[in-house]
Amino acid sequence: QKEVEQNSGPLSVPEGAIASLNCTYSDRGSQSFFWYRQYSGKSPELIMSIYSNGDKEDGRFTAQLNKASQYVSLLIRDSQPSDSATYLCAVRDYGQNFVFGPGTRLSVLP
Amino acid sequence: EADIYQTPRYLVIGTGKKITLECSQTMGHDKMYWYQQDPGMELHLIHYSYGVNSTEKGDLSSESTVSRIRTEHFPLTLESARPSHTSQYLCASSEFGTGFNEKLFFGSGTQLSVL
Repeated sequence: QKEVEQNSGPLSVPEGAIASLNCTYSDRGSQSFFWYRQYSGKSPELIMSIYSNGDKEDGRFTAQLNKASQYVSLLIRDSQPSDSATYLCAVRDYGQNFVFGPGTRLSVLP
Repeated sequence: EADIYQTPRYLVIGTGKKITLECSQTMGHDKMYWYQQDPGMELHLIHYSYGVNSTEKGDLSSESTVSRIRTEHFPLTLESARPSHTSQYLCASSEFGTGFNEKLFFGSGTQLSVL
């Protein structure tokens, strides 16, 4: 059974701080890694994808991947109240389906 | 922005009724999915399709069926709704065959309540 684990939170950070979200996965064959943001009552929307070890930056978001340790993280710099949402980690092996974690609820306090 | 549409957005229905949740996408994606999500919980894959005339069951058996007669359309049917089917149903699609770049796009969801 392929598993993706995340702390459910809530993770509370003050406005302007860096929010750090972590995710671990069990399948060493996983090749693609994704972060989705889901506002309450809404559907998930893709924020970042990463495939290679290291960091990938997009605006205020940085995804970090360490395949040897089987973890992927998402950093949100200069956190804003509008970043308050549940962040879902998803992993995928080539040709396979996406496996989602339970999500981490982030609360950015004004 | 992804062009994937779900109707209805909300549905309240009595036990035993047959219902069909609609999902359409205009991106020409081959692969389509149905997920079920309870509040604060993870997404569970219930059905997926690789293309026309292809349907597969996911990890969660929800006593539902799907069909894929046209590329753009992937409806989900519950033959006899029960209160345990109360949940949010999310449709998604992806462009199969793009390797590592395959990304999943979601519709806005259908919130189903079975009384």
